[in-house]
Amino acid sequence: EVQLVESGGGLVQPGRSLRLSCAASGFTFDDYAMHWVRQAPGKGLEWVSGISWNSGSIGYADSVKGRFTISRDNAKNSLYLQMNSLRAEDTALYYCAKDSYIWGSYWSAFDIWGQGTMVTVSS
Amino acid sequence: EIVLTQSPGTLSLSPGERATLSCRASQSVSSSYLAWYQQKPGQAPRLLIYGASSRATGIPDRFSGSGSGTDFTLTISRLEPEDFAVYYCQQYGSTQGTFGQGTKVEIK
Repeated sequence: EVQLVESGGGLVQPGRSLRLSCAASGFTFDDYAMHWVRQAPGKGLEWVSGISWNSGSIGYADSVKGRFTISRDNAKNSLYLQMNSLRAEDTALYYCAKDSYIWGSYWSAFDIWGQGTMVTVSS
Repeated sequence: EIVLTQSPGTLSLSPGERATLSCRASQSVSSSYLAWYQQKPGQAPRLLIYGASSRATGIPDRFSGSGSGTDFTLTISRLEPEDFAVYYCQQYGSTQGTFGQGTKVEIK
């Protein structure tokens, strides 16, 4: 079964850091780009960051550029998001999502999603 | 950055009716790199349509996508009870990705 399981969310104070993880199974992880997408409570979807299959292409939303860092470990079938200088507006459910196009350097549609991990930034 | 604007914000329809959702881009979406997702409360989004008009695996044929350039449409030919949800469009094909703000399809 194809599966993505996020972890690492929680309550954190403004200005602090948090690292999210996403464990992938059921597909050849190192063939696909991966992404983080977030959803603030009661709001829509916001693409946060993406990384190509070989880490050669990386992109960030303007709202997180310079504060968040995406990475992956293909040997561990894992995706990460290091979040620094967190703000209240970063409060959201963070989804890990799989790109649908094999070996792509640019993004395609996201065909598999995890259930998300909640990040709350508050003092 | 391409901005996607979805309309209407909310669509109130009855089961069996046809739903037409619009997604307009602030600039041309290259090669029709446009996807549609469905999201139900408490669930992750599900991919419905990619490449503007191709149905994803397992998606019923009552869902169809069309359009090119800056104007795209998702059509649900006859609404089933399980189709009442929020729908998002997304553009891709670069190292950026943006979603529209969503259209909620609710039971009238």
